[in-house]
Amino acid sequence: AQRVTQPEKLLSVFKGAPVELKCNYSYSGSPELFWYVQYSRQRLQLLLRHISRESIKGFTADLNKGETSFHLKKPFAQEEDSAMYYCALSCLAGIGSSNTGKLIFGQGTTLQVKP
Amino acid sequence: EPEVTQTPSHQVTQMGQEVILRCVPISNHLYFYWYRQILGQKVEFLVSFYNNEISEKSEIFDDQFSVERPDGSNFTLKIRSTKLEDSAMYFCASSERTGGETQYFGPGTRLLVL
Repeated sequence: AQRVTQPEKLLSVFKGAPVELKCNYSYSGSPELFWYVQYSRQRLQLLLRHISRESIKGFTADLNKGETSFHLKKPFAQEEDSAMYYCALSCLAGIGSSNTGKLIFGQGTTLQVKP
Repeated sequence: EPEVTQTPSHQVTQMGQEVILRCVPISNHLYFYWYRQILGQKVEFLVSFYNNEISEKSEIFDDQFSVERPDGSNFTLKIRSTKLEDSAMYFCASSERTGGETQYFGPGTRLLVL
């Protein structure tokens, strides 16, 4: 079954500390992985996707197919990074099917960056 | 920058009533989605829609649910006879293309069924 696991509900760090938000997935096909972020009272928005290999707001994420992980990292956390972070997987509807774009989300991790 | 909009932002209804949640996707997008998030739980996929038909739906999306694109701009989710467990935040999303493309989310409609 397709699944995304974010083991930490809350991650609390001090400003300037490194951050790693964990994400593991379960999917037998070729995954498309995303990190979405939701700042307080704002909508879900894309932070980054593995296929573009970008660094956004200092965050990076590397797809590790061997470990089925897509952890989100930032070397020096800022207070404005405090938000809810969701890892999401886009996958095929079924064997031989096309990708309809369905996103499967993890539980989300609240990142709290303290001053 | 264009955004997905949703109305209403909040809706309170009685069990058994019909509700229609409205979304206006980004204008050049062709793929539309509904998700929901029950309080304290993960965001769950409900349905994807393309070319005026459902392309995929989840187990949650039973006969009580329907989607429609009544005109060139709106995308609606109807719940025919609401149940207490339908109380959730409902998100609409759209994307230019499918298959792993970025989805742009609306702000959500918070539905409370009493």
